[in-house]
Amino acid sequence: DAGVIQSPRHEVTEMGQEVTLRCKPISGHNSLFWYRQTMMRGLELLIYFNNNVPIDDSGMPEDRFSAKMPNASFSTLKIQPSEPRDSAVYFCASSFSGLAGQAGELFFGEGSRLTVL
Amino acid sequence: SQQGEEDPQALSIQEGENATMNCSYKTSINNLQWYRQNSGRGLVHLILIRSNEREKHSGRLRVTLDTSKKSSSLLITASRAADTASYFCATPRANQAGTALIFGKGTTLSVSS
Repeated sequence: DAGVIQSPRHEVTEMGQEVTLRCKPISGHNSLFWYRQTMMRGLELLIYFNNNVPIDDSGMPEDRFSAKMPNASFSTLKIQPSEPRDSAVYFCASSFSGLAGQAGELFFGEGSRLTVL
Repeated sequence: SQQGEEDPQALSIQEGENATMNCSYKTSINNLQWYRQNSGRGLVHLILIRSNEREKHSGRLRVTLDTSKKSSSLLITASRAADTASYFCATPRANQAGTALIFGKGTTLSVSS
């Protein structure tokens, strides 16, 4: 089975440019999560979706960040305009959430390493 | 905000030794999970322990949970160079509509041969 697929794996861009990161979750999973990892702040939850609906976006740092999940097999995280402090590794993860309040095992993609110059 | 905090931040041992990592958390939980991350890769789930369990084993891994102290530990026995990685604990944060995992900053384990 294919795991969570993220693209691009690496992106280098100039400050002010738009960045779009993509994620394909594991088929059958109903929850999708976007995390950001930096040395300083560790792994931060940005936003997550249940059944394609955004549930909690309180971790999205600013209005420059937006995420969508138009269907069960695709999600995007967009940064517009990008800034150097957005440089990080962005991870997408998916899971099957059954019982309410129960966090299932997360399956992570390999991440998208973003460098904003 | 982070829920779990791992201790120590870094750990260096020799092959064959045991490695113990600790995690403390702040609020009540119904389960706690441990993940591993190899350099440059995504996180991989290791083990889940429920709040009504005190200890769980998986191969060379042993996880304990003390809900009264709000703490967990991960023990890797007979460590190997291939165990070199970062290890994270994760706890659920729930609201009315869903549950997400919040991760600590991790323990970086280095096993030398």
